[in-house]
Amino acid sequence: GENVEQHPSTLSVQEGDSAVIKCTYSDSASNYFPWYKQELGKRPQLIIDIRSNVGEKKDQRIAVTLNKTAKHFSLHITETQPEDSAVYFCAASNAGNMLTFGGGTRLMVKP
Amino acid sequence: DAGVTQSPTHLIKTRGQQVTLRCSPKSGHDTVSWYQQALGQGPQFIFQYYEEEERQRGNFPDRFSGHQFPNYSSELNVNALWLGDSALYLCASSLAGHYGYTFGSGTRLTVV
Repeated sequence: GENVEQHPSTLSVQEGDSAVIKCTYSDSASNYFPWYKQELGKRPQLIIDIRSNVGEKKDQRIAVTLNKTAKHFSLHITETQPEDSAVYFCAASNAGNMLTFGGGTRLMVKP
Repeated sequence: DAGVTQSPTHLIKTRGQQVTLRCSPKSGHDTVSWYQQALGQGPQFIFQYYEEEERQRGNFPDRFSGHQFPNYSSELNVNALWLGDSALYLCASSLAGHYGYTFGSGTRLTVV
């Protein structure tokens, strides 16, 4: 089955700096890669996603890159703000089937 | 808001008891997946229901069972509860053949 590894497990940055979170996956059949933000006690919320036919996608301060050959994808957050502090999860899926999540990254943005 | 609705929000059960959690999918979605999220970990896939049948199952014992109704809503049943079953149980709905999942707020289950 699919295995998703996520690094780092914790990340502390100064407000205004960039943050990068990296994930690797094992199943070459995976073709959908969402990123979720989860605040304490709340539901995971989709912040950006990418499909395997695209190498990069950007939405304001958030971008995701995908390298299918190396089987890794990354989340980039620029100009971080205190409200970006949360746990971020990457996930991989094959066409509407189960999501396999990474272990999560706790991002702390210091004002 | 026609998002994913889960009930109850919190639940405390005693070891050995049985529990039923409920999920109503987002309007227009026909597929429901259940995930278990232990404290400090990523969600783990339990199973997925489509057309009232279990379509996929993760690495969970038979104590975990489910059901999907004709209106696409779903139940998760857990028998013979263990302390280790304490977790946040998340329901996610989607439309078959499409990308994108919408998560509910979850049910926080505590087994004592």
